[in-house]
Amino acid sequence: DTAVSQTPKYLVTQMGNDKSIKCEQNLGHDTMYWYKQDSKKFLKIMFSYNNKELIINETVPNRFSPKSPDKAHLNLHINSLELGDSAVYFCASSPGVSQETQYFGPGTRLLVL
Amino acid sequence: GESVGLHLPTLSVQEGDNSIINCAYSNSASDYFIWYKQESGKGPQFIIDIRSNMDKRQGQRVTVLLNKTVKHLSLQIAATQPGDSAVYFCAERSGGGADGLTFGKGTHLIIQP
Repeated sequence: DTAVSQTPKYLVTQMGNDKSIKCEQNLGHDTMYWYKQDSKKFLKIMFSYNNKELIINETVPNRFSPKSPDKAHLNLHINSLELGDSAVYFCASSPGVSQETQYFGPGTRLLVL
Repeated sequence: GESVGLHLPTLSVQEGDNSIINCAYSNSASDYFIWYKQESGKGPQFIIDIRSNMDKRQGQRVTVLLNKTVKHLSLQIAATQPGDSAVYFCAERSGGGADGLTFGKGTHLIIQP
């Protein structure tokens, strides 16, 4: 009955690899987000999608490409992983585009070696 | 640069006491503020929110105060319990949400038995 779920929970990979993180929400929300949390716990928005359309795209390397096959899913694909990509990535969703009351997933802990 | 910040990175209180977590913001155009709680190994969890046309809002054991004059936000937790131990983030929204939420650095609240 998890509202916002992410897979995998942990991801350890080598530099240069390509990896994907998946996110699903069963809340019926229209808007989904990806956040990056660094080692100092600082949370920064990366992307947001509303009904499968990109509405926020912060200054993120184009190695990061979000994909939303439907409004309940927002996946994050990362090409050519770098050491600095190591962080916890959180998916979130909200009812509308106004960013209010976002519900977060449990996070994916990415470690690039 | 970052517009939302917290005065104290760590706050330690005795169980049963009240706690106050402070947050300063710099964007006078921000119209909506949220407090999130993040327990170790989990995603941020919504606690309470407040719009800029309000000064105070109360929830269960929590109260958020907004002082727009000095751009200050606080979260008061009454009768703290061990389960309140977590990192607390304030977040602000400006531009109607078009730019996403901006999170502060977080305060680690420790409840002493």
